[in-house]
Amino acid sequence: QVQLVESGGGVVQPGKSLRLSCAASGFDFSGYGMHWVRQAPGKGLEWVSLIWYDGSNKDYADSVKGRFTISRDKSKNTVYLQMNNLRAEDTAVYYCAREGKWEMTSGGIKGVFDYWGQGSLVTVSS
Amino acid sequence: DIQMTQSPSTLSASLGDRVTITCRASQSISSWLAWYQQRPGKAPKLLIYKASILESGVPSRFSGSGSGTEFSLTISSLQPDDFAIYYCQQYDNYSLTFGGGTKVEIK
Repeated sequence: QVQLVESGGGVVQPGKSLRLSCAASGFDFSGYGMHWVRQAPGKGLEWVSLIWYDGSNKDYADSVKGRFTISRDKSKNTVYLQMNNLRAEDTAVYYCAREGKWEMTSGGIKGVFDYWGQGSLVTVSS
Repeated sequence: DIQMTQSPSTLSASLGDRVTITCRASQSISSWLAWYQQRPGKAPKLLIYKASILESGVPSRFSGSGSGTEFSLTISSLQPDDFAIYYCQQYDNYSLTFGGGTKVEIK
């Protein structure tokens, strides 16, 4: 069965860095795009970042562009989110999610979040 | 970015009720619309994709409709497990965006 397990969350001071990991199992990791989605306490869902199935393309929300970097290691079936220069407003539960049900269209690959990890809490506070 | 607006933000209903949640996109997204359910302390769960396709294993009391800018999620007969928060999400283009959520609570 598909499993996504996040790790690396914790409490960090503003301006510091943290790296989240998401270990995937139960499916062909190299065949799927992977995303990070976050949820601030008591708030809604916010898409953060995407990495294509082969790592050739990455995209970021404007709120994290230039500070966060997504990457993946196919030998470890793991996707990472390197978060630098953290701010209080980055405090959230961070979920990794698989991009499934995808279709190739003239407008690019279109897929949804068909599997999610359990989430990893990141708290940015002095 | 495409803005997604859900209504209502909170919905009070009883077991067995038929409920409908609406989601409006700020521009046309064709049928590239998904619905998720989130229970307290849990990760979201995919219910419907491409506006109306039911995800495998999701009960048939859930249904989705719409295209362009207007979409809806309907639960035909509310069950105890259905009291949760529901989010719509567009995946027509980046940045991917979610609606603000609709909390379905017990009346």
